[in-house]
Amino acid sequence: DQQVKQNSPSLSVQEGRISILNCDYTNSMFDYFLWYKKYPAEGPTFLISISSIKDKNEDGRFTVFLNKSAKHLSLHIVPSQPGDSAVYFCAASAGIGSRLTFGEGTQLTVNP
Amino acid sequence: DAGITQSPRYKITETGRQVTLMCHQTWSHSYMFWYRQDLGHGLRLIYYSAAADITDKGEVPDGYVVSRSKTENFPLTLESATRSQTSVYFCASSGGVAGWADTQYFGPGTRLTVL
Repeated sequence: DQQVKQNSPSLSVQEGRISILNCDYTNSMFDYFLWYKKYPAEGPTFLISISSIKDKNEDGRFTVFLNKSAKHLSLHIVPSQPGDSAVYFCAASAGIGSRLTFGEGTQLTVNP
Repeated sequence: DAGITQSPRYKITETGRQVTLMCHQTWSHSYMFWYRQDLGHGLRLIYYSAAADITDKGEVPDGYVVSRSKTENFPLTLESATRSQTSVYFCASSGGVAGWADTQYFGPGTRLTVL
């Protein structure tokens, strides 16, 4: 049972435009959500997170939105840059003592 | 080197052989994790450790063994490798009080091929 799903395996956008990566979850106990970015031949690196007490968190070009009623979160990258091309994983946790559950990942390609 | 390192980076082995993947972190983080990454599955937790001498199973522990005698090291052993264990393996660590919910820092990965 995949509790965290990223339904788009890949996404291609033009440089300068907005990239929107989506993630859906089924476990209503999840209360902390993270996005990781992964380049080829490297480990994932933390990008941004959001607690369930918020519906938006912003860090520079990256904004994560959380819609608890829809059990949906999204990552917006504005403007997109070629260096953003990577695999993006969303992850969720049900709090202290609960492991992270990762989605399958979305390959983002930003074309110059 | 500071941070979290894994060795070897690439490994080819044969079915039935024992393989040990090494993980070393220099931050003295309490929590350490082993994940495997497979197409269509994302990252799946194999084993984790909350501190030295404390380990527990994750989502896909069968066929794997871990130990943690020192805080900085968390080796993963495949006792008798199978083709289904061909994967990319990532070690991670986390140092905050929230454990799981804190940011995890990942190593560069080990690509393991079992023939």
